[in-house]
Amino acid sequence: GAVVSQHPSWVICKSGTSVKIECRSLDFQATTMFWYRQFPKQSLMLMATSNEGSKATYEQGVEKDKFLINHASLTLSTLTVTSAHPEDSSFYICSAEKGSAKNIQYFGAGTRLSVL
Amino acid sequence: RKEVEQDPGPFNVPEGATVAFNCTYSNSASQSFFWYRQDCRKEPKLLMSVYSSGNEDGRFTAQLNRASQYISLLIRDSKLSDSATYLCVVYSSASKIIFGSGTRLSIRP
Repeated sequence: GAVVSQHPSWVICKSGTSVKIECRSLDFQATTMFWYRQFPKQSLMLMATSNEGSKATYEQGVEKDKFLINHASLTLSTLTVTSAHPEDSSFYICSAEKGSAKNIQYFGAGTRLSVL
Repeated sequence: RKEVEQDPGPFNVPEGATVAFNCTYSNSASQSFFWYRQDCRKEPKLLMSVYSSGNEDGRFTAQLNRASQYISLLIRDSKLSDSATYLCVVYSSASKIIFGSGTRLSIRP
């Protein structure tokens, strides 16, 4: 069964609105979660590493004020796309490492964001 | 040069065939390697880890060649359900994860 839950699975919003995506680890604590973005026919691109209780680490070229990450508990990380624009339309996926399985990523089902 | 490179394919093979593809990586200090499978519009799912000694799981065999810096995935007796995109994942350091762009595999009846 799923070990990482991601919600919502699909969002359509107007340009300029903000969208929050939740990523939850089920039955385990995840001190670190990862956020990815995937454009059609392209690979996953790591956006940021979310650390519980501290600031997220963003990859080069990813605007931290645009993509707000909050990892307030050991089972929940959120990604907020602020003032979304059509170019932000993409597939956003989170993942977490389960403590017993070193370096193995368990992915959420992803969120398909369409900004009109 | 990309840190992790894969042949994008598509590989189009008949059911029952054996197919193999590689993934090269540029950082010789890379430590962990994995193959993930991603179906269209779905999240990636772990297929198998890649160990230095090579490992096999049913019809799937993964190998690591550190000298030439590549990992490989071999699929025997391919099934229609094997059609997917196969992503290689390399941990270039303890915290840096790099995904390959994926190899598309299509199995035809």
